Amino acid sequence: DVVMTQSPLSLPVTLGQPASISCRSSQSLVYSDGNTYFNWFQQRPGQSPRRLIYKVSNRDSGVPDRFSGSGSGTDFTLKISRVEAEDVGVYYCMQTTHWPRTFGQGTKVEI
Amino acid sequence: EVQVVESGGDLVQPGGSLRLSCSASGFTFSNYAMYWVRKAPGKGLEYVSVISGSGHFTNYADSVKGRFTISRDNSKNMLYLQMSSLRAEDTAVYYCVRDYHLDVWGQGTTVTVSS
Repeated sequence: DVVMTQSPLSLPVTLGQPASISCRSSQSLVYSDGNTYFNWFQQRPGQSPRRLIYKVSNRDSGVPDRFSGSGSGTDFTLKISRVEAEDVGVYYCMQTTHWPRTFGQGTKVEI
Repeated sequence: EVQVVESGGDLVQPGGSLRLSCSASGFTFSNYAMYWVRKAPGKGLEYVSVISGSGHFTNYADSVKGRFTISRDNSKNMLYLQMSSLRAEDTAVYYCVRDYHLDVWGQGTTVTVSS
């Protein structure tokens, strides 16, 4: 199975300041069609998860542009340019290239 | 509005069985693969199972293989998860999720396995 390793697991942030989460996979996430099926999800307290980023760097509809995704192969990053109070929650990376699908452990973002 | 709504969560004894359901609306259900993903208390998200739009392809996490069965009824826009031989470690909120790349999530249904 592909192991997804996130860091840090806990991220204290300051409102208005940038924040960054890393995710590393144990093998390349490039699929045979040339796409990299790597995603970021956010789970706010008391809510269901929602997808923020798909295929490494594509923002989902309604996701603020302060969120950005980057990376390639096995190393990926989620950046928040200026943290807002509503960004508190747990962030998960996940690969949808290989079977079985696997998530990172989650990064708790707190003010 | 695109929506998936889970139901069927309950308190069940170890070794027992339970069937979860997910009702889909606002999209052509048969065109989409569907997942079950779970979150246990104090733990992260865990992939459980997926089924293709036609129902011909299924995949399971090792932790549930042989105990859980995913199925769908495209005529009713319904997804199911039949769970048997339940264990305490299956206690979790179970989410129904649309698409191979998990773009729409339900609100979850809670399964508690305890005597």
